[in-house]
Amino acid sequence: KQEVTQIPAALSVPEGENLVLNCSFTDSAIYNLQWFRQDPGKGLTSLLLIQSSQREQTSGRLNASLDKSSGRSTLYIAASQPGDSATYLCAVRQGTNAGKSTFGDGTTLTVKP
Amino acid sequence: GAGVSQSPSNKVTEKGKDVELRCDPISGHTALYWYRQSLGQGLEFLIYFQGNSAPDKSGLPSDRFSAERTGGSVSTLTIQRTQQEDSAVYLCASSPRGAGELFFGEGSRLTVL
Repeated sequence: KQEVTQIPAALSVPEGENLVLNCSFTDSAIYNLQWFRQDPGKGLTSLLLIQSSQREQTSGRLNASLDKSSGRSTLYIAASQPGDSATYLCAVRQGTNAGKSTFGDGTTLTVKP
Repeated sequence: GAGVSQSPSNKVTEKGKDVELRCDPISGHTALYWYRQSLGQGLEFLIYFQGNSAPDKSGLPSDRFSAERTGGSVSTLTIQRTQQEDSAVYLCASSPRGAGELFFGEGSRLTVL
């Protein structure tokens, strides 16, 4: 059974700092991994999708990496802004026929002005 | 709209009543998913529809829960004889194909009194 862990559960940083969020998973036979952000009372917004054959994906100030062999992914946020404050979740998909994604519990990020 | 649409956004019901939650996926997306997010807990997979294939119902918590997808588009999640533990945010997602990038709606918040 796939288990996904995100550490830390909460993180507070001053504006402008670069930061890294971690996601680890127990079964390395994944199909893809997706990072989301969730604002309070809202749905999930897709940030980046990394296929199992890829090592990283970039979008603006965000960079996500994937190391399947060690069961880890990181989300790097450069030059953090107060608007980045949200909960960040990672989700792992096991296979092309598997509808289920397994989600971590998220890291709640607060960026202080 | 261009995104996944869910209704109602909020539903308050009495214990024992039936409720229906609706999801309208992104046009052209063949895959549709239902997840549940309870207070203080992670996202829990409920059910997955992909094209004309039989749905993956492995995440439905009891036989009080059912879902259908008509015409390969709109989906309805039905909860019969609601219980207080059913209180949660029910999130719908769609993807352009099975195991593709997930796009979520804003969710339906269900409160069972």
